[in-house]
Amino acid sequence: DAGVIQSPRHEVTEMGQEVTLRCKPISGHNSLFWYRQTMMRGLELLIYFNNNVPIDDSGMPEDRFSAKMPNASFSTLKIQPSEPRDSAVYFCASSLLGQNSPRDTEAFFGQGTRLTVV
Amino acid sequence: AQSVTQLGSHVSVSEGALVLLRCNYSSSVPPYLFWYVQYPNQGLQLLLKYTSAATLVKGINGFEAEFKKSETSFHLTKPSAHMSDAAEYFCAAQGAGMRFGAGTRLTVKP
Repeated sequence: DAGVIQSPRHEVTEMGQEVTLRCKPISGHNSLFWYRQTMMRGLELLIYFNNNVPIDDSGMPEDRFSAKMPNASFSTLKIQPSEPRDSAVYFCASSLLGQNSPRDTEAFFGQGTRLTVV
Repeated sequence: AQSVTQLGSHVSVSEGALVLLRCNYSSSVPPYLFWYVQYPNQGLQLLLKYTSAATLVKGINGFEAEFKKSETSFHLTKPSAHMSDAAEYFCAAQGAGMRFGAGTRLTVKP
């Protein structure tokens, strides 16, 4: 398996523009996570999907952020409109975590998307 | 809620010296704990995880961690540091999603 695939790897956009980050989880995984990493706040869990359904989105910072998972093999994180303070590295991760799987199931991470909003 | 605290945002050791990175967890239920490593400009890679089968867990690259319930700790150690161990290390706990500590940057001096 190719692992978790994120695109693009780098994104530079102007303030006010819409940004869409994409993630393809590992085939067969049923859980997907979006994280944001910054120097100031470290690794923050933004949203967690299980079987394509958002389970916990309490980490989504504002209404400008939205995430979707239309099927088991694709998810998007959208920021509209983008602001300079959204500049960060965004990671997607997937796992087999679920009701019938042990809680010691690890998450596998993509390479991340480095977003710069100018 | 399950959470972890990493003591020390930056640890510096000499090559060949012992590495000790600290992690404490807060929870009244059996925790599901992990250590991840992040090399520059890369994603996170699993080092090891606590599975409750054994309190001493061995991971990749010679790292190990010991789960101590009495101290609510899951510290990461390596007997002899190598230059290639320089990276950021994260302790994490599994609850409703995996949540990470603030991270510890390990520097290895020649």
